[in-house]
Amino acid sequence: GAVVSQHPSWVICKSGTSVKIECRSLDFQATTMFWYRQFPKQSLMLMATSNEGSKATYEQGVEKDKFLINHASLTLSTLTVTSAHPEDSSFYICSAREMGVRTEAFFGQGTRLTVV
Amino acid sequence: GEDVEQSLFLSVREGDSSVINCTYTDSSSTYLYWYKQEPGAGLQLLTYIFSNMDMKQDQRLTVLLNKKDKHLSLRIADTQTGDSAIYFCAERGSGAGSYQLTFGKGTKLSVIP
Repeated sequence: GAVVSQHPSWVICKSGTSVKIECRSLDFQATTMFWYRQFPKQSLMLMATSNEGSKATYEQGVEKDKFLINHASLTLSTLTVTSAHPEDSSFYICSAREMGVRTEAFFGQGTRLTVV
Repeated sequence: GEDVEQSLFLSVREGDSSVINCTYTDSSSTYLYWYKQEPGAGLQLLTYIFSNMDMKQDQRLTVLLNKKDKHLSLRIADTQTGDSAIYFCAERGSGAGSYQLTFGKGTKLSVIP
């Protein structure tokens, strides 16, 4: 099956710094990538949808200036958490959908972000 | 907005069948999915069913869909300890270009040896 790789798997950063998370589709071209956030014992909350070459569409309540998303190529999307604070600590998961008619989206392994 | 509900916990003995239930509210859902999440990992797609189907079977997994009641279930036959994980139900709406998924909160399956 299609593989989506997220990097890093975990990161610890100081409050006020920025962190970049990468999401790559390894063996297919992803026209659309999704970024989710998962709180402990909670479901996944969609943060934003990004289409290659265009601006991301953010869900209501998600600060686009804080969570910068770039989808510059068909195989890479990045999420940058700017000026991170402890409340941004969470598990971030990306998923990617292949071009064409495949119905499923494939998920990365997630990134555990801890802001201290 | 759309809502997906699941029970939070399920405990079964090894070898028994597990049935995880899910209800959703969006009557225009086109596809419904089951994902498995092991601790600290991402989501693994287990199976999905198109909304015009009633049942789909894939090895030990059986998905039943009652579209009238908006009820989806996942049955795992001969449950093994390796099946212990959180299982998420998700639905995809029918809006143009809509590939966004709405997830339930997940059911934590514990398999007792």
